[in-house]
Amino acid sequence: SQQGEEDPQALSIQEGENATMNCSYKTSINNLQWYRQNSGRGLVHLILIRSNEREKHSGRLRVTLDTSKKSSSLLITASRAADTASYFCATETSGSRLTFGEGTQLTVNP
Amino acid sequence: GAVVSQHPSWVICKSGTSVKIECRSLDFQATTMFWYRQFPKQSLMLMATSNEGSKATYEQGVEKDKFLINHASLTLSTLTVTSAHPEDSSFYICSASGRAGDTQYFGPGTRLTVL
Repeated sequence: SQQGEEDPQALSIQEGENATMNCSYKTSINNLQWYRQNSGRGLVHLILIRSNEREKHSGRLRVTLDTSKKSSSLLITASRAADTASYFCATETSGSRLTFGEGTQLTVNP
Repeated sequence: GAVVSQHPSWVICKSGTSVKIECRSLDFQATTMFWYRQFPKQSLMLMATSNEGSKATYEQGVEKDKFLINHASLTLSTLTVTSAHPEDSSFYICSASGRAGDTQYFGPGTRLTVL
């Protein structure tokens, strides 16, 4: 079964607003990663949070991880039109194996 | 940062033909490479994991005789889609890591269209 479910599936906001995406998973993990994908393009690695970490920041990105609930959230603050993309969480288990969530399509309207 | 390239970036082929996709790590040695498939508006699904010099490990439901993977060097892995059919049309993405546990670096993907 697919590990990693994300919600919402689609999110439309105005520029300047914050965007929050959630990811849930089923099994124990080594770390959880967030990626961005522009339409028809490859993946861009955004941030990695290890299983023993609870929160991590990188620029306008804030990621939280709750291993007791097996969930993570990605917050993008002060969104820009250029942030429009699909965002995927991916959990890493043994052997560097990544399992991707279903993704959230974010649209930031100018 | 680490760069992974894929070639070709897109390919159109006739049903029944075979197509080879290359994945190269340009500035690091990739002990492990991964191949993913992504259908439109869907997530990435891991197809197989290949380690340099050994046979690839395929995920459940992926036909190893149809998707041939070769990882002959530390900088190159190839995926050959044999006897391609329209249902094989997809976006194929590879990733590479220096060693187990290292960050995976993703290639830009290859769009395969089978007519």
